[in-house]
Amino acid sequence: NAGVTQTPKFQVLKTGQSMTLQCAQDMNHNSMYWYRQDPGMGLRLIYYSASEGTTDKGEVPNGYNVSRLNKREFSLRLESAAPSQTSVYFCASSPQRQVPYNEQFFGPGTRLTVL
Amino acid sequence: DAKTTQPPSMDCAEGRAANLPCNHSTISGNEYVYWYRQIHSQGPQYIIHGLKNNETNEMASLIITEDRKSSTLILPHATLRDTAVYYCIVWGSNYQLIWGAGTKLIIKP
Repeated sequence: NAGVTQTPKFQVLKTGQSMTLQCAQDMNHNSMYWYRQDPGMGLRLIYYSASEGTTDKGEVPNGYNVSRLNKREFSLRLESAAPSQTSVYFCASSPQRQVPYNEQFFGPGTRLTVL
Repeated sequence: DAKTTQPPSMDCAEGRAANLPCNHSTISGNEYVYWYRQIHSQGPQYIIHGLKNNETNEMASLIITEDRKSSTLILPHATLRDTAVYYCIVWGSNYQLIWGAGTKLIIKP
């Protein structure tokens, strides 16, 4: 089991460029999440997908879009990158969304710099 | 969901028990306490969670006070590899975990 995988690991973009961050899990989990983490801060939820075919906004969705491609894959797209989106992005998955079964498993992160 | 308060940093000697406190005075009856840790810049790792009873697993113990307004995560025999940022999160029916800044735990040899 690879768990949660993310690509790429590092990315540098210029302001206004677009890109898609990829995430996949092989644990047959229903729910998937995208977070961002700024230096010295906790994680903030961008979008989540409670189950295949559904997506919902989190705490900081502006400037991002997501696609739940299938049960395994959940991608995050930046349409027009801005320096404020420089951050580390983590993807996570969990068996379900409801407590108490919401143990989340995280990927290694993508370190994104927008110049 | 209730907010949590944790000390920004703590030290512990290797081999000793590390006790990490968390205050969650506004917790409601159906909200769980979750603990995660983040080693260096890796993705966070789930440690343990509980509702009102004390819980123990292979990684740690979680002690929740009777009034549920605070809890303590205990790492019984801390090693250098336990150096990390530890997050205490209260989570209920809402979909999202609210992450604070956590406690940076430094294990010293």
